Formats: sequence, structure tokens, C-alpha cells
Amino acid sequence: GAGVSQSPRYKVAKRGQDVALRCDPISGHVSLFWYQQALGQGPEFLTYFQNEAQLDKSGLPSDRFFAERPEGSVSTLKIQRTQQEDSAVYLCASSPKRVLIETQYFGPGTRLLVL
Amino acid sequence: GDSVTQMEGPVTLSEEAFLTINCTYTATGYPSLFWYVQYPGEGLQLLLKATKADDKGSNKGFEATYRKETTSFHLEKGSVQVSDSAVYFCALSRNQFYFGTGTSLTVIP
Repeated sequence: GAGVSQSPRYKVAKRGQDVALRCDPISGHVSLFWYQQALGQGPEFLTYFQNEAQLDKSGLPSDRFFAERPEGSVSTLKIQRTQQEDSAVYLCASSPKRVLIETQYFGPGTRLLVL
Repeated sequence: GDSVTQMEGPVTLSEEAFLTINCTYTATGYPSLFWYVQYPGEGLQLLLKATKADDKGSNKGFEATYRKETTSFHLEKGSVQVSDSAVYFCALSRNQFYFGTGTSLTVIP
């Protein structure tokens, strides 16, 4: 079946622009995660949804970052007034169950470059 | 807080050599432990996992044992192949997922 998909795969933004990154999880997966991966680093947790409820947003680096999953399926990560330090790969992952010990299935990521 | 520390790379090995990538963790309670792999041009995918102490995860010839006494989850493979060239990430899950910084492995023929 289809895996996790993300769009766009690449995004170049001018500093100060708003961007929206989309994640389509595996159908039926309850949990959805967003991560930020800087060059040469491991993924860092941003936020977590269980269905449409955002249960943890402690990893969002500032109030310029906002995520939603209004119908418990597709999710959007929005970054307002982008800064150069926002340049990174943004990964989405989904999981079939509610518990955090379950395997996550990752999408290919969106590479964001802020000029 | 919870964290994962893994061996820095890059690691370069000849085909059929023995591989160890060290991973240690800091966590309260009883986390689950994972190894994820990222092949060139692809997304992260689960390689193996262990959910309790003394469990051994294994897949594709790779193994890792959850050692609570040493807070470790080292990845091993007895004979690496060129196709194992990738970046390997150790991770733990308790109330969140925490990833290590990744170890790049290159296997040369």
C-alpha cells in the first residue's frame, strides 16, 4: 500500500515568507508526528497528533510554527515569517496505534531552504 | 531529560567485515529502543526494535540487544555488504521519540 507522502519535496522561500508543508499519512494511522532534521543531525521532535488532537507540541521551536490535522488524516505544518535557521528537512511519520512505543513510518521529507 | 548518544561516523568498512555501531541512552523508566536506517535518497525506515530489557531485535542480519545495566543498544552485523551503506539512527521512545545524530556507514568492495 501507499506509504507516507509529503509535499512539496523541496521548497525555497525568501526570509519572511510563510510556508505550508503537507503530510499524507498511511490510511488509518492514528498517530502522526512532525520532526525537524538539520544537516548532519538526527530528527528532532516537533509535535504529535492522535487523530485530530494535538497531544504534544513541546518541540515547536517558536510561535511561528503551527501544525494542524483537522480531520485526523492529512496534516499541515505551517511556518510563518521564515528565518534562515528554519532551513532543514521536515519529516512526517505516522503510526497505526496510539502508544508511542509503536514503529513509526516516515515520509521522504520536505527540504526547506530559506534564503 | 531523555536522550540518545551514538557513535560518531563516518565509518568505512570493507565488504564482509564485522560492524558495531555503539548507542547508549539516558531515560527514566523503561523506554523502547529502535534502530532506523536511511539509505541514500530514501526516507527513514525501521531496521529493528526492542521493547524491554534483554530483548534482542534482529533484521537483515543486524542485531541489537537491549542492555539495561549498561543503558546500551549497540547495533552489530557479522558480515556487511555494499548494500548496507547508509546512515543509521538509534532512537528511544518513552513519552516522545528521541533520535541520535546518526552514523554514516560506507562499505567498500
